[in-house]
This record gives sequence, structure tokens and C-alpha cells, in this order.
Amino acid sequence: GAGVSQTPSNKVTEKGKYVELRCDPISGHTALYWYRQSLGQGPEFLIYFQGTGAADDSGLPNDRFFAVRPEGSVSTLKIQRTERGDSAVYLCASSLHFGGDVEGYTFGSGTRLTVV
Amino acid sequence: SQQGEEDPQALSIQEGENATMNCSYKTSINNLQWYRQNSGRGLVHLILIRSNEREKHSGRLRVTLDTSKKSSSLLITASRAADTASYFCATPGQGGSEKLVFGKGMKLTVNP
Repeated sequence: GAGVSQTPSNKVTEKGKYVELRCDPISGHTALYWYRQSLGQGPEFLIYFQGTGAADDSGLPNDRFFAVRPEGSVSTLKIQRTERGDSAVYLCASSLHFGGDVEGYTFGSGTRLTVV
Repeated sequence: SQQGEEDPQALSIQEGENATMNCSYKTSINNLQWYRQNSGRGLVHLILIRSNEREKHSGRLRVTLDTSKKSSSLLITASRAADTASYFCATPGQGGSEKLVFGKGMKLTVNP
């Protein structure tokens, strides 16, 4: 596609439920990143994929968070047993070059997750 | 943890004025990027400056980088109401990590 697509754009879920957030990167971009942004803060890194493999998952806050990218394109961020503190905007980005060098990252519009 | 820190945290100016925002960072970098975010959603990449560059221009944007002071500035000239947004600087993570580390951002309001 022309840009990075994230679905859903908004998700309200009850505490304790499981959610999946989807990211469809720009075609041909091998690098895919997930970030989380809380109100009034900058985005915080969660996980990075190069192709199908998670090259760096050091930002995942705990084992309730998991992400996959089985075919090296679409990625799904999965959150189990959601907590109110998980409420944030989850941003996905992709890039063609190593570390977003040259042209930077292209971000999607994000998924606003609200846990009630 | 966040490496870049923008200053000021908020700025309000009149249309036509210039806006300058500063970013300080802590560790050695090979590039620094600036992003804009409207309404708390997707970020838009504005400009990337490499560690061997001191100044870079893109349209009404001018970015400087001083690696000795570990700081960068973003200047928006002849501001427009449409420039109202939050602006973030971002640097690569430590050890050549792939991830970008963002500052808390600076809220710019351009009044018509």
C-alpha cells in the first residue's frame, strides 16, 4: 500500500481481555517497528522486526506482550490479560533502510487502545 | 528511557514568525531525526541529519547539529497555522541499536 496501515484505529476493551493490533507496512519495507505512546510522552520502543524475526524485543514491558510477523510483511501485536495501564496509542512504523537511515521511518496513524 | 529532550516543551507564536526548538541528547549518535505529530496520532518524518553534517535545509525547515554539545535545533521559518503540532527529535538507541529513542516532544501552536 501507499502507507503504513494500522487496524483498528480505536479499540476499547475490558480489563483482563486479550487484544490484537494489526500493522500492514509499506510493501518492500523489511524493517518494522512497534512503539507505544502514552499521553504527553514521546513514543517508546517496543519491538523491531527485520524480515520475519524479532531482532530486538527489549522494549516489551512484560510477557503479556507478544508480536509476530510470520511472512515478513503484516505484523500483529498481541496483548494478553490487558490492564488499564496498557491504555495508550500503539504506533507501527516501517523503513527500507537499516535503522531508518536515509529516509527515516514511515509511521501508521496508530491504534488507540483503551482498557476499561 | 528517553535520550532526546526537546526545549521548550511548549511554544506559542504568531503566523509568519519563526519557531526554534532545541533537542539535547546524551550519547554519541550517527544521525538525529525530527518528526512532527498532529493530534496525537501518526508521526511524520521531517528531516534526518547525520553526525558529519552541521546544517541541513528542507523547504522552510533548517536543522543544525552540534555533536560537541550533543544538541540539535529545528528552525521553522515563516510559520503557518498548519505547522501547529508536536515536534519530536529522535536518535538511534545505544550501541548502534535499530530502535529510535524519542524525546517527550514540544508542542508548537501557531496562531493565525
